[in-house]
Amino acid sequence: GAVVSQHPSRVICKSGTSVKIECRSLDFQATTMFWYRQFPKQSLMLMATSNEGSKATYEQGVEKDKFLINHASLTLSTLTVTSAHPEDSSFYICSAITGTGNYGYTFGSGTRLTVV
Amino acid sequence: KQEVTQIPAALSVPEGENLVLNCSFTDSAIYNLQWFRQDPGKGLTSLLLIQSSQREQTSGRLNASLDKSSGRSTLYIAASQPGDSATYLCADFNYGGSQGNLIFGKGTKLSVKP
Repeated sequence: GAVVSQHPSRVICKSGTSVKIECRSLDFQATTMFWYRQFPKQSLMLMATSNEGSKATYEQGVEKDKFLINHASLTLSTLTVTSAHPEDSSFYICSAITGTGNYGYTFGSGTRLTVV
Repeated sequence: KQEVTQIPAALSVPEGENLVLNCSFTDSAIYNLQWFRQDPGKGLTSLLLIQSSQREQTSGRLNASLDKSSGRSTLYIAASQPGDSATYLCADFNYGGSQGNLIFGKGTKLSVKP
Protein backbone atom coordinates (compact mmCIF):
# COMPACT_ATOMS: atom_id res chain seq x y z
CA GLY A 1 0.00 0.00 0.00
CA ALA A 2 0.87 3.67 -0.18
CA VAL A 3 3.50 4.76 2.32
CA VAL A 4 4.35 8.25 3.50
CA SER A 5 7.65 8.69 5.30
CA GLN A 6 8.03 11.64 7.64
CA HIS A 7 11.35 12.72 9.10
CA PRO A 8 12.48 13.45 11.74
CA SER A 9 10.16 11.72 14.18
CA ARG A 10 11.34 13.85 17.06
CA VAL A 11 13.31 17.08 17.25
CA ILE A 12 14.32 19.43 20.01
CA CYS A 13 15.57 22.86 19.03
CA LYS A 14 16.47 26.11 20.67
CA SER A 15 14.17 29.07 20.48
CA GLY A 16 14.91 31.22 17.46
CA THR A 17 16.24 28.44 15.27
CA SER A 18 14.54 26.88 12.25
CA VAL A 19 13.48 23.29 11.83
CA LYS A 20 12.72 21.44 8.61
CA ILE A 21 10.35 18.48 8.49
CA GLU A 22 10.25 16.25 5.41
CA CYS A 23 7.35 14.26 4.10
CA ARG A 24 7.99 11.76 1.31
CA SER A 25 5.65 9.50 -0.60
CA LEU A 26 7.62 6.30 -1.11
CA ASP A 27 5.71 4.36 -3.71
CA PHE A 28 3.31 6.78 -5.29
CA GLN A 29 3.19 10.31 -6.61
CA ALA A 30 1.52 12.69 -4.23
CA THR A 31 0.06 15.57 -6.16
CA THR A 32 -1.34 17.03 -2.98
CA MET A 33 0.04 16.93 0.53
CA PHE A 34 -1.41 18.28 3.73
CA TRP A 35 0.24 19.48 6.89
CA TYR A 36 -1.53 19.17 10.22
CA ARG A 37 -0.69 20.23 13.74
CA GLN A 38 -1.99 18.71 16.92
CA PHE A 39 -1.75 20.28 20.34
CA PRO A 40 -2.30 18.06 23.38
CA LYS A 41 -5.93 17.04 23.89
CA GLN A 42 -7.01 18.92 20.79
CA SER A 43 -8.09 17.89 17.32
CA LEU A 44 -5.76 17.68 14.42
CA MET A 45 -5.88 21.02 12.69
CA LEU A 46 -5.07 21.53 9.04
CA MET A 47 -2.30 24.08 8.58
CA ALA A 48 -1.85 24.13 4.86
CA THR A 49 -2.38 22.29 1.62
CA SER A 50 0.48 22.01 -0.82
CA ASN A 51 0.27 21.09 -4.47
CA GLU A 52 3.33 20.07 -6.40
CA GLY A 53 4.85 22.99 -8.25
CA SER A 54 2.66 25.69 -6.79
CA LYS A 55 2.40 27.81 -3.66
CA ALA A 56 0.83 26.28 -0.61
CA THR A 57 -2.62 27.31 0.54
CA TYR A 58 -2.62 28.22 4.21
CA GLU A 59 -5.54 27.99 6.59
CA GLN A 60 -6.72 31.09 8.33
CA GLY A 61 -4.56 31.98 11.28
CA VAL A 62 -1.50 30.09 10.06
CA GLU A 63 1.45 32.37 9.33
CA LYS A 64 2.85 31.49 5.94
CA ASP A 65 6.12 33.30 6.63
CA LYS A 66 6.62 31.25 9.76
CA PHE A 67 5.62 27.89 8.37
CA LEU A 68 7.31 27.61 5.00
CA ILE A 69 6.05 24.80 2.81
CA ASN A 70 7.82 23.60 -0.30
CA HIS A 71 6.41 20.90 -2.57
CA ALA A 72 9.11 20.78 -5.20
CA SER A 73 8.43 17.28 -6.48
CA LEU A 74 5.65 14.73 -6.62
CA THR A 75 7.27 12.76 -3.81
CA LEU A 76 8.52 15.40 -1.39
CA SER A 77 6.99 18.19 0.64
CA THR A 78 8.82 20.03 3.38
CA LEU A 79 7.60 22.16 6.25
CA THR A 80 10.08 24.58 7.77
CA VAL A 81 9.24 26.17 11.10
CA THR A 82 11.22 29.40 11.06
CA SER A 83 12.39 31.20 14.18
CA ALA A 84 10.71 28.60 16.34
CA HIS A 85 9.34 29.54 19.75
CA PRO A 86 8.12 27.37 22.62
CA GLU A 87 4.52 27.89 21.58
CA ASP A 88 5.35 26.15 18.30
CA SER A 89 6.02 22.95 20.21
CA SER A 90 3.50 20.50 18.87
CA PHE A 91 2.97 17.30 16.91
CA TYR A 92 3.13 17.86 13.17
CA ILE A 93 1.73 15.30 10.75
CA CYS A 94 1.70 15.25 6.98
CA SER A 95 -0.63 13.33 4.76
CA ALA A 96 -0.99 12.76 1.07
CA ILE A 97 -3.56 11.79 -1.49
CA THR A 98 -2.84 10.81 -5.02
CA GLY A 99 -5.50 12.93 -6.66
CA THR A 100 -7.44 9.92 -7.83
CA GLY A 101 -9.63 7.24 -6.33
CA ASN A 102 -11.82 7.66 -3.31
CA TYR A 103 -9.64 10.16 -1.48
CA GLY A 104 -8.25 7.86 1.08
CA TYR A 105 -5.49 9.56 2.99
CA THR A 106 -2.10 8.19 3.86
CA PHE A 107 -0.40 9.76 6.84
CA GLY A 108 3.20 10.15 7.86
CA SER A 109 4.31 8.98 11.27
CA GLY A 110 4.44 12.50 12.66
CA THR A 111 7.10 14.77 14.11
CA ARG A 112 7.21 15.80 17.75
CA LEU A 113 8.74 19.27 17.88
CA THR A 114 9.91 20.66 21.18
CA VAL A 115 11.27 24.20 21.28
CA VAL A 116 13.25 25.06 24.38
CA LYS B 1 -18.35 25.95 10.25
CA GLN B 2 -18.39 22.16 10.08
CA GLU B 3 -17.81 20.29 13.30
CA VAL B 4 -17.10 16.71 14.29
CA THR B 5 -17.83 15.55 17.81
CA GLN B 6 -16.76 12.32 19.43
CA ILE B 7 -18.29 10.80 22.53
CA PRO B 8 -17.05 9.64 24.95
CA ALA B 9 -13.71 11.41 25.26
CA ALA B 10 -12.29 8.42 27.12
CA LEU B 11 -13.39 4.85 27.62
CA SER B 12 -11.98 2.01 29.70
CA VAL B 13 -13.21 -1.55 29.23
CA PRO B 14 -12.11 -5.03 30.27
CA GLU B 15 -10.53 -7.26 27.67
CA GLY B 16 -13.00 -9.20 25.55
CA GLU B 17 -15.79 -6.66 25.73
CA ASN B 18 -17.53 -5.38 22.61
CA LEU B 19 -17.67 -1.59 22.42
CA VAL B 20 -18.99 1.28 20.33
CA LEU B 21 -17.37 4.63 19.68
CA ASN B 22 -19.58 7.47 18.51
CA CYS B 23 -18.96 10.26 16.06
CA SER B 24 -21.37 13.01 15.01
CA PHE B 25 -20.89 15.56 12.25
CA THR B 26 -22.69 18.66 11.07
CA ASP B 27 -21.67 18.41 7.42
CA SER B 28 -24.76 17.57 5.35
CA ALA B 29 -22.61 17.30 2.22
CA ILE B 30 -20.17 14.79 3.60
CA TYR B 31 -18.17 12.99 0.91
CA ASN B 32 -16.77 10.26 3.10
CA LEU B 33 -16.03 9.55 6.72
CA GLN B 34 -12.87 7.95 7.99
CA TRP B 35 -11.86 6.36 11.24
CA PHE B 36 -8.25 6.56 12.34
CA ARG B 37 -6.21 5.15 15.15
CA GLN B 38 -3.48 7.14 16.85
CA ASP B 39 -0.99 5.61 19.22
CA PRO B 40 0.84 7.96 21.61
CA GLY B 41 3.42 10.04 19.77
CA LYS B 42 2.71 8.28 16.50
CA GLY B 43 1.03 9.28 13.27
CA LEU B 44 -2.42 8.25 12.27
CA THR B 45 -3.35 4.85 10.92
CA SER B 46 -6.38 4.75 8.68
CA LEU B 47 -8.81 2.06 9.84
CA LEU B 48 -11.92 2.36 7.74
CA LEU B 49 -13.27 4.70 5.10
CA ILE B 50 -17.00 4.92 4.39
CA GLN B 51 -18.23 6.67 1.27
CA SER B 52 -21.33 8.82 1.64
CA SER B 53 -23.24 6.30 -0.47
CA GLN B 54 -22.33 3.43 1.85
CA ARG B 55 -23.88 2.40 5.15
CA GLU B 56 -21.01 0.47 6.66
CA GLN B 57 -17.55 -0.97 6.23
CA THR B 58 -15.92 -3.90 7.97
CA SER B 59 -12.33 -4.86 8.57
CA GLY B 60 -11.59 -7.75 10.88
CA ARG B 61 -13.01 -6.99 14.30
CA LEU B 62 -13.92 -3.45 13.28
CA ASN B 63 -17.20 -2.31 11.82
CA ALA B 64 -17.99 1.30 11.00
CA SER B 65 -21.43 2.60 10.13
CA LEU B 66 -22.58 5.85 8.58
CA ASP B 67 -25.98 7.52 8.85
CA LYS B 68 -25.95 10.73 6.85
CA SER B 69 -29.50 11.67 7.75
CA SER B 70 -28.72 11.79 11.45
CA GLY B 71 -25.13 12.94 11.03
CA ARG B 72 -23.70 10.00 12.91
CA SER B 73 -21.10 7.32 12.56
CA THR B 74 -20.15 4.54 14.92
CA LEU B 75 -17.08 2.36 15.20
CA TYR B 76 -17.80 -1.05 16.65
CA ILE B 77 -14.91 -3.05 18.03
CA ALA B 78 -15.61 -6.68 18.77
CA ALA B 79 -13.81 -8.74 21.39
CA SER B 80 -11.53 -5.91 22.45
CA GLN B 81 -7.88 -6.59 23.20
CA PRO B 82 -5.23 -4.65 25.15
CA GLY B 83 -3.55 -3.92 21.83
CA ASP B 84 -6.62 -1.94 20.81
CA SER B 85 -5.72 0.69 23.39
CA ALA B 86 -5.22 3.94 21.49
CA THR B 87 -7.00 7.14 20.58
CA TYR B 88 -9.58 6.74 17.84
CA LEU B 89 -10.36 9.69 15.62
CA CYS B 90 -13.13 10.13 13.10
CA ALA B 91 -12.84 12.62 10.28
CA ASP B 92 -15.33 14.08 7.84
CA PHE B 93 -14.09 14.69 4.32
CA ASN B 94 -15.83 17.47 2.45
CA TYR B 95 -15.22 19.42 -0.68
CA GLY B 96 -14.22 22.72 0.88
CA GLY B 97 -11.87 23.60 -1.91
CA SER B 98 -10.58 21.94 -5.03
CA GLN B 99 -9.20 18.93 -3.23
CA GLY B 100 -11.30 18.90 -0.11
CA ASN B 101 -10.43 18.78 3.52
CA LEU B 102 -10.62 16.49 6.50
CA ILE B 103 -12.27 17.75 9.68
CA PHE B 104 -11.31 15.77 12.73
CA GLY B 105 -13.02 15.10 16.02
CA LYS B 106 -10.99 15.30 19.22
CA GLY B 107 -10.91 11.56 19.54
CA THR B 108 -11.89 8.87 22.03
CA LYS B 109 -9.08 7.50 24.15
CA LEU B 110 -9.69 3.79 24.58
CA SER B 111 -8.05 1.70 27.26
CA VAL B 112 -8.57 -2.05 27.24
CA LYS B 113 -7.58 -3.67 30.53
CA PRO B 114 -6.14 -7.21 30.55
